[in-house]
Amino acid sequence: QKEVEQNSGPLSVPEGAIASLNCTYSDRGSQSFFWYRQYSGKSPELIMSIYSNGDKEDGRFTAQLNKASQYVSLLIRDSQPSDSATYLCAVNVMIYNQGGKLIFGQGTELSVKP
Amino acid sequence: GAVVSQHPSRVICKSGTSVKIECRSLDFQATTMFWYRQFPKKSLMLMATSNEGSKATYEQGVEKDKFLINHASLTLSTLTVTSAHPEDSSFYICSASRLATQETQYFGPGTRLLVL
Repeated sequence: QKEVEQNSGPLSVPEGAIASLNCTYSDRGSQSFFWYRQYSGKSPELIMSIYSNGDKEDGRFTAQLNKASQYVSLLIRDSQPSDSATYLCAVNVMIYNQGGKLIFGQGTELSVKP
Repeated sequence: GAVVSQHPSRVICKSGTSVKIECRSLDFQATTMFWYRQFPKKSLMLMATSNEGSKATYEQGVEKDKFLINHASLTLSTLTVTSAHPEDSSFYICSASRLATQETQYFGPGTRLLVL
């Protein structure tokens, strides 16, 4: 059973602070990792993808990957109330004869307080 | 780029009827499309994976005769919920990936189905 684990939260941070979201996964063979943001009642929106160990920065977002520890995280700098949403960690796993599919964590609810 | 649309966005139907949901990739050719459902406060559950021109691969526990998937072209996949019942009420979301970045999935806006 391929699993992706996240703390469900809610994670509450003040406006302007750094929000840190964490995710662990069980499939050592996974090579592709994604963070999606989902506002209430809406579908997921891709924020970041990361494939190599280390950090990847895009604006206020930084994704961090450590394959040895099977750990991926998302940092949001200068958090804004508009960042309040559920953040989904997704890991691509390869299934024999079926290709790849995303396994999602249960999501972490982030609340940024003004 | 990488825009995916879904239609309808919301549908209410009577128990026993069938409902078709369309998923289109608007600005790219989607080699693979995925169908998910999501219950309130829960994560996405993959229902099936479809490749253009071939039969869909269903996840364990998903009834293929109840959830019919057709992927007729590289830009269109449809999900038909047959003989819908109230327990089929859910948020159905499709996603699409393209050959060049095939692990990355781009999601449609979702279809909210309510079966009375």
